[in-house]
Amino acid sequence: DAGVIQSPRHEVTEMGQEVTLRCKPISGHNSLFWYRQTMMRGLELLIYFNNNVPIDDSGMPEDRFSAKMPNASFSTLKIQPSEPRDSAVYFCASSFRRRPYEQYFGPGTRLTVT
Amino acid sequence: QQPVQSPQAVILREGEDAVINCSSSKALYSVHWYRQKHGEAPVFLMILLKGGEQKGHEKISASFNEKKQQSSLYLTASQLSYSGTYFCGTRVYNQGGKLIFGQGTELSVKP
Repeated sequence: DAGVIQSPRHEVTEMGQEVTLRCKPISGHNSLFWYRQTMMRGLELLIYFNNNVPIDDSGMPEDRFSAKMPNASFSTLKIQPSEPRDSAVYFCASSFRRRPYEQYFGPGTRLTVT
Repeated sequence: QQPVQSPQAVILREGEDAVINCSSSKALYSVHWYRQKHGEAPVFLMILLKGGEQKGHEKISASFNEKKQQSSLYLTASQLSYSGTYFCGTRVYNQGGKLIFGQGTELSVKP
């Protein structure tokens, strides 16, 4: 069974550019989470979805960040415009309704904004 | 609101024991432990749902004291494979499925 899939694995972009991160959750999982990890701030929850509906986006740092989940098998996190302080590893995780707090993390996208 | 973990880092010899603590200023519904190896994604270890509950995973066990809003992770007879950063994630009442992670405890097991 394939785990959570994220793309790209690495992204280097210039300040001001738009960045789109992609996530495919594990098939059958109904919750999806986007996290950001940095040395300074640790692992932060940005937003999570249940059944494709955003439930809590209080962790989204600014209006420059947006996330969508158009269907059960795909989600995007977009940053527009990007800034150097957005540099981090972004993880997507998913969980199954019967074990909602056992989250399976994807390999992450390492974003560098220069 | 972020739980506090202690110690921040620990170095062990193979076979030694360690305890990692996680404490919160908020009343907790559950505590979740994850391990992250360098350059990899966090991996779920266990969840503790009730006060005083203890659970185990291989030679790793944990306790949850709901009254004290604390959890402890116990690593017994540590192995090289236990090296990594351990995170506790806490869920508080009335915040749905949101997990807040501690800053992590870096564990290094040496031969």
